[in-house]
Amino acid sequence: AQSVTQLGSHVSVSEGALVLLRCNYSSSVPPYLFWYVQYPNQGLQLLLKYTTGATLVKGINGFEAEFKKSETSFHLTKPSAHMSDAAEYFCAVSVGNTDKLIFGTGTRLQVFP
Amino acid sequence: DAGITQSPRHKVTETGTPVTLRCHQTENHRYMYWYRQDPGHGLRLIHYSYGVKDTDKGEVSDGYSVSRSKTEDFLLTLESATSSQTSVYFCAITTGRYTGELFFGEGSRLTVL
Repeated sequence: AQSVTQLGSHVSVSEGALVLLRCNYSSSVPPYLFWYVQYPNQGLQLLLKYTTGATLVKGINGFEAEFKKSETSFHLTKPSAHMSDAAEYFCAVSVGNTDKLIFGTGTRLQVFP
Repeated sequence: DAGITQSPRHKVTETGTPVTLRCHQTENHRYMYWYRQDPGHGLRLIHYSYGVKDTDKGEVSDGYSVSRSKTEDFLLTLESATSSQTSVYFCAITTGRYTGELFFGEGSRLTVL
């Protein structure tokens, strides 16, 4: 069965600092992995996804994530945080590579000036 | 904009009453999903649909039923609401099979007293 674990329910960084949000997955098949972002009072929107091919994937707003099979990880990074990055971030894995997604519990990112 | 509208956006009801949430899409997509979002649990799949009258259960389907008599509408019903069903409910669609990219509505906040 597939699952994801997000380490840290809250992460705080200063504006301009590196953002690192951690996600580890479990999957019995080669996984499809996703990061979604949720701004206050909104639905989720896709940041980036990994299906096959290049293990470093780039998404919107300067975010990127690297698929590391040996570590079963898919951590999300951004070199320099901006105030507008404050949101909740969800890692997800697809169930048997279908459109049914299993979401992590989320990490709330706070950015301080 | 995937043209997803959820109604009602906010509802307060009492234990034991029936509640129906509606998801309406304007783009004629086949695949639709209902998720609930709770603190500490992330998003969990309730039910999904691959077409008219083609629905199936997700991981937390107990106490919920769905119907899809038209492509554009996916209804979620709580036959007898309980306090444990207080949550934010999100409808989502995908534009193609196995893309993993979900487009979410803005959510329906349900409070069961």
